[in-house]
Amino acid sequence: NAGVMQNPRHLVRRRGQEARLRCSPMKGHSHVYWYRQLPEEGLKFMVYLQKENIIDESGMPKERFSAEFPKEGPSILRIQQVVRGDSAAYFCASSQGSVYEQYFGPGTRLTVT
Amino acid sequence: DAKTTQPPSMDCAEGRAANLPCNHSTISGNEYVYWYRQIHSQGPQYIIHGLKNNETNEMASLIITEDRKSSTLILPHATLRDTAVYYCIVTGSGGSNYKLTFGKGTLLTVNP
Repeated sequence: NAGVMQNPRHLVRRRGQEARLRCSPMKGHSHVYWYRQLPEEGLKFMVYLQKENIIDESGMPKERFSAEFPKEGPSILRIQQVVRGDSAAYFCASSQGSVYEQYFGPGTRLTVT
Repeated sequence: DAKTTQPPSMDCAEGRAANLPCNHSTISGNEYVYWYRQIHSQGPQYIIHGLKNNETNEMASLIITEDRKSSTLILPHATLRDTAVYYCIVTGSGGSNYKLTFGKGTLLTVNP
């Protein structure tokens, strides 16, 4: 039973480019969460999605960041016009429901040059 | 959300039990205690969670005091692969219990 999958594992972007991070939840999970871990810091909640719906995006920066979880396919975290401060590890987690434990993927390490 | 306090680091000998404490004195009645760990550069791994009663699974045991103000995660026979940062997390109340707040955690180092 495959766990949470994220790709790419490493992503390098120049300032001003777009970054697209993908997350495939565990089989049977329809709840997806994105977290960001800045260097030397703990994980911070960004957004919670269910299929085709954003439930809570209170942790998302107001500009340049967006997330989606379409009916078919993986969840996408999109960062437009990246800046150096976006360099971080981005983790996706999934669960069976909002009250269940979350299972995390291996993360995508974004480096902005 | 209730705040948690954990020691920044602990050491444990391989094969011995590792007991990781966590204080959460402001926890409310409907908040759960979750434990996750993060092995260097990997995604956090769920370990165990509980509300009032002690819990045990294949990975660990969770002991919650009767007043729920503190808890202890027990790894019964620590191995070198258990070296990681361990996070004690109290879930949010009022419907936002999915929002995990990771603090600094405890760096557990298992020594041979």
